[in-house]
Amino acid sequence: AQTVTQSQPEMSVQEAETVTLSCTYDTSESNYYLFWYKQPPSRQMILVIRQEAYKQQNATENRFSVNFQKAAKSFSLKISDSQLGDTAMYFCAFISGGSNYKLTFGKGTLLTVNP
Amino acid sequence: DGGITQSPKYLFRKEGQNVTLSCEQNLNHDAMYWYRQDPGQGLRLIYYSQIVNDFQKGDIAEGYSVSREKKESFPLTVTSAQKNPTAFYLCASSQDHSSNQPQHFGDGTRLSIL
Repeated sequence: AQTVTQSQPEMSVQEAETVTLSCTYDTSESNYYLFWYKQPPSRQMILVIRQEAYKQQNATENRFSVNFQKAAKSFSLKISDSQLGDTAMYFCAFISGGSNYKLTFGKGTLLTVNP
Repeated sequence: DGGITQSPKYLFRKEGQNVTLSCEQNLNHDAMYWYRQDPGQGLRLIYYSQIVNDFQKGDIAEGYSVSREKKESFPLTVTSAQKNPTAFYLCASSQDHSSNQPQHFGDGTRLSIL
């Protein structure tokens, strides 16, 4: 069974600074996809970024980028130029290329951006 | 705008009562999902449906039931058999059941016991 671990329950960062959220996962599969979702206080779950395991290049979406280390099974999220609106729970999620339905989530990291 | 609508936003259940949470999507997605979110536990899959008139149990299906009579609708019933129903419930959909299709979420329903 796949597992996803987010070792930082809470983090804080000053506005305009950079912060990195950690995620590790465990799987025996070679084909899979990784996601970061953001859940602000409004509780809506928003897709932030996606990485395909067979791609070596790290995914980037504006101020959000990932550091994907396949051998180490690590998938960290870097947020540059942090904004107050980035305050949210961030969930790392894994889906197997063969499972075709099951997203496995980590327990989340609560990020607070301070003014 | 296209999206996923969950209703109601807040729901209260009396002991022994069944309640139904609504989930409607106008994204023309084939696959739909129900998750339960508890504090400190992330999201857990209750049921999923890959296509109309078909659905499968997820990791925590006991005490829940679903139907998928229409492509756009995937209601979740929390039955009296679910002894600890207090949680935040999230509905999601994806274009199809391929793993590379991201799941898009609704705004959720918070269910509490009276």
